[in-house]
Amino acid sequence: EIVLTQSPGTLSLSPGERATLSCRASQSVAGNYLAWYQQKPGQAPWLLIFGASSRATGIPDRFSGSGSGTDFTLTISRLEPEDFAVYFCQQYGSSITFGQGTRLEIK
Amino acid sequence: EVQLVESGGGLVQPGGSLRLSCAASGLTFSKNALSWVRQAPGTGLEWVSIISDDATYTRYAGSVKGRFTISRDNSKNTVFLEMNSLRVEDTAVYYCAKSSGSGVGKDYLDSWGQGALVTVSS
Repeated sequence: EIVLTQSPGTLSLSPGERATLSCRASQSVAGNYLAWYQQKPGQAPWLLIFGASSRATGIPDRFSGSGSGTDFTLTISRLEPEDFAVYFCQQYGSSITFGQGTRLEIK
Repeated sequence: EVQLVESGGGLVQPGGSLRLSCAASGLTFSKNALSWVRQAPGTGLEWVSIISDDATYTRYAGSVKGRFTISRDNSKNTVFLEMNSLRVEDTAVYYCAKSSGSGVGKDYLDSWGQGALVTVSS
């Protein structure tokens, strides 16, 4: 099973700042089959990025994904108030596993 | 717009059984695989099971294999999760999620329901 480790556990930033979230896999993710989801309290996860770098429909271009192999990054270029949430990475190249999440909180 | 609505959650004693349903609309149901993903209180996401578009293939997480069964009725646009021999550690919100493809591999989850809470407690 591929284990995904996200860092940091919590990220404290202010609106307008840049956020960089990391997701590291215990082994190479086949085909860069890596997705990112946003989850707000009491809500279901929402797909942001698939294929490591492709934005899902309707996702603003301030969200971008990058990386390959075992190291992946989600970047939010300029934080908006609605971006403060928990973010999960997920690999779907070998079964499905999720990272433990990064909480993005307002500083 | 894709809508997934879970039902059937509730309180059950350890060792008991429960059947979750997920009714879908706004999509060609028979063309997509569907997954169940759960989230224990205050924790992360755990994939539970997936079923292919025509129900030919199913997969399970090791933690539920042999206890849970996924199925679907394409005539009713509904997917099910039959949960037996429930344990306290199965307590979670269970989400139904639509795959981007039709099979049981190499697809991300592009639409999610709002979840159904399952509590296993004596």
